[in-house]
Amino acid sequence: EIVLTQSPTTMAASPGEKITITCSASSSISSNYLHWYQQKPGFSPKLLIYRTSNLASGVPARFSGSGSGTSYSLTIGTMEAEDVATYYCQQGSSIPRTFGGGTKLEIK
Amino acid sequence: EVKLEESGGGLVQPGGSMKLSCAASGFTFSDAWMDWVRQSPEKGLEWVAEIRSKANNHATYYAESVKGRFTISRDDSKSSVYLQMNSLRAEDTGIYYCTRSTMITLYAMDYWGQGTSVTVSS
Repeated sequence: EIVLTQSPTTMAASPGEKITITCSASSSISSNYLHWYQQKPGFSPKLLIYRTSNLASGVPARFSGSGSGTSYSLTIGTMEAEDVATYYCQQGSSIPRTFGGGTKLEIK
Repeated sequence: EVKLEESGGGLVQPGGSMKLSCAASGFTFSDAWMDWVRQSPEKGLEWVAEIRSKANNHATYYAESVKGRFTISRDDSKSSVYLQMNSLRAEDTGIYYCTRSTMITLYAMDYWGQGTSVTVSS
């Protein structure tokens, strides 16, 4: 089983600030199979980025993703109030599918 | 518009059974891989089961924690996917989401239902 470890677990950012969330895999994953999800309070998770760096439909351009092998990251170029959410990475490279533990992002 | 609507959740005693359903619309259901993912405060997001498309022989896969107790199935004629849950345990408590994956995103879970709550308790 591929374990995904996200950091930080929680963080707070000011409006306009650049933030980066990392996702570390216990073994190498093809970048085609690393995805990110956003879950706002009270809502279902929503696909944010697929295949490491591709924005899902309707996702603002301030979001970006990068990485390879065992190290991946999600970046928000300029923090906005609507970005308050929990973010999860997920690997689809092998069974069982696994998710990171989540990063809760709050606004200062 | 893609829609996934889960139903069938509720309260069940330990050792009991429950069947969840997910009705899909707005896309070619038969081409999609469908998964069940659950969420609890203790475990976060946890993948439960996957059923692939007819082109992939409707292959099924399960998390170790549910293997032998849960069965995922689909009815392409009804655009629906199901999760039969037997021998339920307290640790199966959570919100169960139905998700869709397609070749377009290399099988990222690009749509999620609103979830249905399952509580296993006496």
